[in-house]
Amino acid sequence: DTGVSQNPRHKITKRGQNVTFRCDPISEHNRLYWYRQTLGQGPEFLTYFQNEAQLEKSRLLSDRFSAERPKGSFSTLEIQRTEQGDSAMYLCASISTGTGSYNEQFFGPGTRLTVL
Amino acid sequence: AQKVTQAQTEISVVEKEDVTLDCVYETRDTTYYLFWYKQPPSGELVFLIRRNSFDEQNEISGRYSWNFQKSTSSFNFTITASQVVDSAVYFCALSVQTGANNLFFGTGTRLTVIP
Repeated sequence: DTGVSQNPRHKITKRGQNVTFRCDPISEHNRLYWYRQTLGQGPEFLTYFQNEAQLEKSRLLSDRFSAERPKGSFSTLEIQRTEQGDSAMYLCASISTGTGSYNEQFFGPGTRLTVL
Repeated sequence: AQKVTQAQTEISVVEKEDVTLDCVYETRDTTYYLFWYKQPPSGELVFLIRRNSFDEQNEISGRYSWNFQKSTSSFNFTITASQVVDSAVYFCALSVQTGANNLFFGTGTRLTVIP
């Protein structure tokens, strides 16, 4: 068990460019979450997947954002036409819901996005 | 709607002092879970504890202890004999059993332990 991994760890881009982040959850975890954390704030929920199905999106997830989890394993989060307001830490978390008990979400190290 | 309030933005203590981090939550759900996470300068969120709404028993783990009181909707976290390595941002979070089970975080408390 290597934990949740995220790549890249840092991304600097120019306004208007597209960026894509990847999250690899803990292998047996069937649920995967994306959060966004801006400076001085707590993480805020963006979306989540149960296996390969995207079940909920928050209002924070504008049309420029899209997330996928094609085979129920890794997930990608793409931001199109980035804006300076997209600068934040993007966190991924995974959890196993199969045991019937509620377990804590395990977080990855995050991808820090800076939009110039 | 769910809400978590951490009124203390920053706290500084001298090493070996005790410190309590406050957390107040709001939810209309009767089944919910409360969490504390630590975020050191490296940025990764480290899970510390989970309590469910039916278990008000306080918990102690080494120098850490947690006081859950449903009557005041509070879930406070105490570090005894603080150490420099405790310096971090601490987040309280809430999730409910319905919906996405996502975490609702407070704004965090930055703890600085001065040697």
